[in-house]
This record gives sequence, C-alpha cells and structure tokens, in this order.
Amino acid sequence: GIQVEQSPPDLILQEGANSTLRCNFSDSVNNLQWFHQNPWGQLINLFYIPSGTKQNGRLSATTVATERYSLLYISSSQTTDSGVYFCAVVYGQNFVFGPGTRLSVLP
Amino acid sequence: DAGITQSPRHKVTETGTPVTLRCHQTENHRYMYWYRQDPGHGLRLIHYSYGVKDTDKGEVSDGYSVSRSKTEDFLLTLESATSSQTSVYFCAIMGSTGELFFGEGSRLTVL
Repeated sequence: GIQVEQSPPDLILQEGANSTLRCNFSDSVNNLQWFHQNPWGQLINLFYIPSGTKQNGRLSATTVATERYSLLYISSSQTTDSGVYFCAVVYGQNFVFGPGTRLSVLP
Repeated sequence: DAGITQSPRHKVTETGTPVTLRCHQTENHRYMYWYRQDPGHGLRLIHYSYGVKDTDKGEVSDGYSVSRSKTEDFLLTLESATSSQTSVYFCAIMGSTGELFFGEGSRLTVL
C-alpha cells in the first residue's frame, strides 16, 4: 500500500517564529488534506489541496503531486498553533494518514 | 461544521463485554469511516461504508464489526472488548467535495 511520511516528527518553536512541515507520499494520490489536532483532541481541517497553493491567514499549503510531496507553512506562530499536524492522502476510496508532526509553540 | 455526532463520548467497560459506538450525521453523505487513534500509530482505518448496507474492512478490522441500516447512522461494535481495544475512536464522513470531516471522538477504556 501507499506510504505517507511526515517530517519533522517533533518541532519546538518560540512564539512568532515560522515553520515548514513536510508530507511525502509513495504513490499517486487523488487528493490530500492537512489537519490540526489540538491539545483537546479535536481534528480540524486546514487544507484540502490536491495540487497548487492555498492560503488561509497565517497558514498556507503547497502540494506538488508530480513529485509526491506537500508542504504546510505556518508563519508568525502562536501558542494556539500547538498540537499535532497530520497529512492524509486519498488513495482509492480511503484516506491514509501520516504519523504526524507534533508542534509546540512556546510563549 | 459537518453535522457529525459520536456517542458515547467516553466509556469505561470490562474485558469481554460488548460495546457499540454510534456515529450520526445530518447531511446524508454517502461515505462514512471509523478510525482508531493510538500513541505511536496515528490514525488507522477500521471499517468504512459507501452506502446503506455497504461496508468494507480497513487495515485494523479484526475484532470489530459495523452496520449501516440508515444513511445517517454508522455503528461500530466490539463483540467482546479486549484491553487492546482501549483507544480513541473517530468517525468521519466524506463531504460532497471529497473532503474528510471528523467527529469529536469517543474515548473507550477496556479494563
């Protein structure tokens, strides 16, 4: 089956810093999503992005499907950005998740 | 808000007892999913449904069964719960654009 990898596994930032999270996948996919799981366990949709670039406030994402990767950019990080970031790829009818990047933003 | 409700949100039970988790949606989407989330394993698919009475297995389906008798409800049953099934269970639906939306999660502890 398809393999989904995320890097880095852990990231600690000072408030105000910028960061880039990466998602690599081993096969062609129909689509890709980024999620944020907050410290209370809620899974929040960030981006649904099969290709190209999208922006939403301080967050943006870019997917290069032909090269099998996606990047999530967080600018001017805030403590509320802390949590785990997952990418998920649509493979057939199912969504396959990466292991996540745990982000801690320190005040 | 994708109109997904999971119940119960928290449950503690004993080994060997049956457990049913319910996922209810209000928007009549065709695809529904059950995932479990465990430390070190991320989110893993248990079962999914692509319509009423149409279900299929995911990567960790052993020990679980599902039923979908109505579009809006997708039930996950543990016939005889074991301690290895202690986990957080998430229901999800695929929206009309193909995007996945999650419920709030159900935390199950099997003693």
